[in-house]
Amino acid sequence: NAGVMQNPRHLVRRRGQEARLRCSPMKGHSHVYWYRQLPEEGLKFMVYLQKENIIDESGMPKERFSAEFPKEGPSILRIQQVVRGDSAAYFCASSPGRDQPQHFGDGTRLSIL
Amino acid sequence: SQQGEEDPQALSIQEGENATMNCSYKTSINNLQWYRQNSGRGLVHLILIRSNEREKHSGRLRVTLDTSKKSSSLLITASRAADTASYFCATAPREAGTALIFGKGTTLSVSS
Repeated sequence: NAGVMQNPRHLVRRRGQEARLRCSPMKGHSHVYWYRQLPEEGLKFMVYLQKENIIDESGMPKERFSAEFPKEGPSILRIQQVVRGDSAAYFCASSPGRDQPQHFGDGTRLSIL
Repeated sequence: SQQGEEDPQALSIQEGENATMNCSYKTSINNLQWYRQNSGRGLVHLILIRSNEREKHSGRLRVTLDTSKKSSSLLITASRAADTASYFCATAPREAGTALIFGKGTTLSVSS
């Protein structure tokens, strides 16, 4: 009965490198959401995906960030050419459908050197 | 600016006391949810209240929703040290589909 699994838990990258964050939703959940949390802040919505489709990416920065949720495998949040300002905790959540409670993973803490 | 604003930002109480946290929001919503976050962990869903509901209970939790005032409150009764965490309200605005908008949270400390 695994919950939402995110890996890695901690990721360190140098400026200019790429960061790949993975999220496996709960069993039976086909809706995945990505959020970013800065210290002492609430979560900021980034993107909402269903299998093979991006439903809402209104919270995603226009450049360097992309997300996917392929038919097989985990959802991936990809950040290209990382900068110091990308340092944050990135959380993934999943739900069985729209307007259902979202279940969160423990997050990936991204640090940019 | 934030859709949900929790009040107070921080709350310190003794075990056994009740803790009340408030949340105000700006736009019409489909539902409002409360989450708890322990340090270094993900968020745990506590309770969801829909826009046509006024009050909901779950164990020691009681949530109220006043859509005319665009506000909600979370009451934790008979608090325990294990309730120490940050508590966030999240709104699902009608216009934004299913994107949840979180406030900055209330940090609750319960001392024994």
